[in-house]
Amino acid sequence: DGGITQSPKYLFRKEGQNVTLSCEQNLNHDAMYWYRQDPGQGLRLIYYSQIVNDFQKGDIAEGYSVSREKKESFPLTVTSAQKNPTAFYLCASSPRRYSGEQYFGPGTRLTVL
Amino acid sequence: GESVGLHLPTLSVQEGDNSIINCAYSNSASDYFIWYKQESGKGPQFIIDIRSNMDKRQGQRVTVLLNKTVKHLSLQIAATQPGDSAVYFCAENTAGNQFYFGTGTSLTVIP
Repeated sequence: DGGITQSPKYLFRKEGQNVTLSCEQNLNHDAMYWYRQDPGQGLRLIYYSQIVNDFQKGDIAEGYSVSREKKESFPLTVTSAQKNPTAFYLCASSPRRYSGEQYFGPGTRLTVL
Repeated sequence: GESVGLHLPTLSVQEGDNSIINCAYSNSASDYFIWYKQESGKGPQFIIDIRSNMDKRQGQRVTVLLNKTVKHLSLQIAATQPGDSAVYFCAENTAGNQFYFGTGTSLTVIP
């Protein structure tokens, strides 16, 4: 059963703590992306990766960090430097960078208390 | 950044009727567009795409129309069903660069 998985579905953290969101894909896609979704706003790109050990900042990378040590995994860390971290986070992948259809995971809703 | 917007934030239709969801884009150089469906608490799902060398593309019960003159995109859903209730948003892409996403239209199907 191919696809993208994100875990956990809901995450609660205290202010000032770093938290890591998981994203795994078994589609053999080279490119992976992290987006943030806030109510009433379109998806905004946080980071993307075209290939293992390479990643680039998106429009709103401040306060976030990523790694791409394996092709199938692209974890996102929300650091304490992120001023407004409460949001719905979506991971996506595509065969090549920005190629056609992006496949999205189910998302993680992060709430910082 | 790019500006991708929607004319109507909410839309309610009777089951069986056709739905039309609109999207305006600002970059005349955009050459690829996608419509996504997002159900509550889930990730977006691809519905249909269209490239700028086309003005119409049909899928199963869905049709996308592209009017490059006025930079407008629409998604038509035929015989709307309760399962179509979701948020629909468009995304635009220019020459293989970053996608920019609209804010979405919430479609409610009334049984």
